[in-house]
Amino acid sequence: KAGVTQTPRYLIKTRGQQVTLSCSPISGHRSVSWYQQTPGQGLQFLFEYFSETQRNKGNFPGRFSGRQFSNSRSEMNVSTLELGDSALYLCASSVNRGGEKLFFGSGTQLSVL
Amino acid sequence: AQKVTQAQTEISVVEKEDVTLDCVYETRDTTYYLFWYKQPPSGELVFLIRRNSFDEQNEISGRYSWNFQKSTSSFNFTITASQVVDSAVYFCALSESKGTGANSKLTFGKGITLSVRP
Repeated sequence: KAGVTQTPRYLIKTRGQQVTLSCSPISGHRSVSWYQQTPGQGLQFLFEYFSETQRNKGNFPGRFSGRQFSNSRSEMNVSTLELGDSALYLCASSVNRGGEKLFFGSGTQLSVL
Repeated sequence: AQKVTQAQTEISVVEKEDVTLDCVYETRDTTYYLFWYKQPPSGELVFLIRRNSFDEQNEISGRYSWNFQKSTSSFNFTITASQVVDSAVYFCALSESKGTGANSKLTFGKGITLSVRP
């Protein structure tokens, strides 16, 4: 069974640009959540999607958005990139919501210059 | 607000030593879930164990064991006879079950970098 797939693996952008990251969950998983990992702040929750609806959102500005498609695949978008957005963005999936173990992808390493 | 504290930041041991990773959590919920994840250099977080707040039974799985104590809000993880391949960053995490139902949001600790030397 294929794991959680995130593309691209690496991205380099400049300030002010926007970026879209993609996540394909494990087949049969309906919940997808996103996390940002930085050396300073650690792992922080961005948002969670289930059945194409955002169910939970972390404390991030509105520049961070996401969506989930009917096949459970998810994308997250960051507009007007700032230097501080440089991070490893991790996607995780689970069968359902609520206390289940999350399966993580290898992440997208975003560098903003 | 929920919080996870991993007071240890870096631990270095020699192969075959036992090592315990500490985790202390804070939550106002009576129903919650605790997790340990491992992050090797490849970056992918690997699930190790999950415990719900009603299950204080400690467990041993091969070289791994867990000690969950609600009285002290601790969920510690021990590796017995450590190996070089255990070198990674280990994260403790907490998921609450709020009034609207359980969710998949995890609050992570800062992580502990474990280095196992041959």
